[in-house]
Amino acid sequence: DAGITQSPRYKITETGRQVTLMCHQTWSHSYMFWYRQDLGHGLRLIYYSAAADITDKGEVSDGYVVSRSKTENFPLTLESATRSQTSVYFCASSESQGWETQYFGPGTRLLVL
Amino acid sequence: GQQLNQSPQSMFIQEGEDVSMNCTSSSIFNTWLWYKQDPGEGPVLLIALYKAGELTSNGRLTAQFGITRKDSFLNISASIPSDVGIYFCAGQSNTNAGKSTFGDGTTLTVKP
Repeated sequence: DAGITQSPRYKITETGRQVTLMCHQTWSHSYMFWYRQDLGHGLRLIYYSAAADITDKGEVSDGYVVSRSKTENFPLTLESATRSQTSVYFCASSESQGWETQYFGPGTRLLVL
Repeated sequence: GQQLNQSPQSMFIQEGEDVSMNCTSSSIFNTWLWYKQDPGEGPVLLIALYKAGELTSNGRLTAQFGITRKDSFLNISASIPSDVGIYFCAGQSNTNAGKSTFGDGTTLTVKP
């Protein structure tokens, strides 16, 4: 199906484990983003990517790693998960950095025990 | 970093009532965006505003870009049950490389 998808939709892990969240878009959008949403709060930018092999940090990037070897995929890795990383993670894509509409995926709900 | 204050935090209204919410910032933004998030879903863009003073409508929704460029307002007229959700404002600034700064959201509950 066309659009932006995230997997898994739900994940439970333990402190210290490495976790990778996947994001895939079929529009060939240049820009992709990762946000986290904590209960009662808005979205905070973790990382973004302007194109394949180009990534940059957002405001809450500590403890996260991204890669973008292909335009359509933008995986987010928690190198050693902590309880404070329990959150809902949203991936988004857009034609340009933000002046155009960002299309959001359905989110991944991550619980770190 | 840039901060947005969105209010109210939550609203409980009767079907048919009008709704107003707003976002304010200490910083100037070049673009204001309003999103709606349904439970279990990602945000969806409702309205984008690009010029100070701009007033834009999308059906029963009307949003305005404040003259000072530090605030924006969203109004929903004649609310219906499917308006339930969380509404987020977001601002974008040339000085922040176009990245979006999000408010904490307004949770809207509509009683039939």
